[in-house]
Amino acid sequence: ILNVEQSPQSLHVQEGDSTNFTCSFPSSNFYALHWYRWETAKSPEALFVMTLNGDEKKKGRISATLNTKEGYSYLYIKGSQPEDSATYLCALNNFNKFYFGSGTKLNVKP
Amino acid sequence: KAGVTQTPRYLIKTRGQQVTLSCSPISGHRSVSWYQQTPGQGLQFLFEYFSETQRNKGNFPGRFSGRQFSNSRSEMNVSTLELGDSALYLCASSGGQLPGAKNIQYFGAGTRLSVL
Repeated sequence: ILNVEQSPQSLHVQEGDSTNFTCSFPSSNFYALHWYRWETAKSPEALFVMTLNGDEKKKGRISATLNTKEGYSYLYIKGSQPEDSATYLCALNNFNKFYFGSGTKLNVKP
Repeated sequence: KAGVTQTPRYLIKTRGQQVTLSCSPISGHRSVSWYQQTPGQGLQFLFEYFSETQRNKGNFPGRFSGRQFSNSRSEMNVSTLELGDSALYLCASSGGQLPGAKNIQYFGAGTRLSVL
């Protein structure tokens, strides 16, 4: 079992704040790191897939970085909006066997 | 293009019974994975099927089993239900032609199972 940890568990920010979360994973035998967003009453949706050390991905106000040597990934949200409220999950893809973290629950107050 | 469809959405069973959940993947997807989420836990990987074969398996007891049909639809079965099996069960499909780094998972809405 590969241990994937996310921090913080939850976060409350004001609209307009920028925020970031961390995903930590074992650095050995790295294959790919996925980020998903899971809104209440919906299905998890993929945000990013990263495979190479130093990868940076961006989608609108959300971006992510990857450090496979030290075993962590950061997710950044710039200028948070209420619609960003969701649980953000990271998952280590180990040859199609996925190990998910427990998620960071983000609440953005208007 | 239709998404991943899971049926039923809700189920109530009693201890000792068995249950079968169904998952229809996105058309063209050959990989189907199953996950369990219990309160306070992240998504726990149950197993993955690809082209009717179980390709990966998580650390769950043998009471949890699955299968995949030639049209890629998958079923998950849990026998001798226990109270602790109460959870949200999600399935996800992906292209999965090879153990590929970019096999993004497309999730269904889930089946919420309550065991009384």
